[in-house]
Amino acid sequence: DTGVSQDPRHKITKRGQNVTFRCDPISEHNRLYWYRQTLGQGPEFLTYFQNEAQLEKSRLLSDRFSAERPKGSFSTLEIQRTEQGDSAMYLCASSLAAAYNEQFFGPGTRLTVL
Amino acid sequence: AQSVTQLDSHVSVSEGTPVLLRCNYSSSYSPSLFWYVQHPNKGLQLLLKYTSAATLVKGINGFEAEFKKSETSFHLTKPSAHMSDAAEYFCVVSRLTGANNLFFGTGTRLTVIP
Repeated sequence: DTGVSQDPRHKITKRGQNVTFRCDPISEHNRLYWYRQTLGQGPEFLTYFQNEAQLEKSRLLSDRFSAERPKGSFSTLEIQRTEQGDSAMYLCASSLAAAYNEQFFGPGTRLTVL
Repeated sequence: AQSVTQLDSHVSVSEGTPVLLRCNYSSSYSPSLFWYVQHPNKGLQLLLKYTSAATLVKGINGFEAEFKKSETSFHLTKPSAHMSDAAEYFCVVSRLTGANNLFFGTGTRLTVIP
């Protein structure tokens, strides 16, 4: 399978708990993006990496959110002290740097915070 | 700054009739424009992209879109709707070059009536 994969696909947690999501991009893609999609809305950009460097972060990414891409391959997105407002679909995408930003999306991780 | 306005939140057509999904964009830079489709419980799939070459862009499944700079529009069309076209469609703008993220519209839900 050469697509973008995300794990887990679904996560239910209680308010105040920490959660971590993983994204594996297409192997030759050096850019990796995280987006958040709430019900009835389009995806909103959170952050992106070029190789292992985190180059941009949205204001949506509060201090409780942290993302890493330690070896320039897979990435993790951690949310600390989850709140009900964090409930959303978290999408990962990857692209080549010189490909007019054509991004390939994974299936997403749906987070429900009770 | 970049933004996208999808003029219809919901479009309903009969099977076999034409589809028109409207999109207007705003961009401070030369834009790349995309249409993505999202089927229920599936990931976002790229339908087509405009990257400053031909203004009429053909995509998958018979869809096409025309970039009109004077009208800042990038409407999506298909001559004949199929039941399998029922989905959520997102118009997306990005910068043509440079490091950046995608800006999504709020989506248009397409319903196809048998």
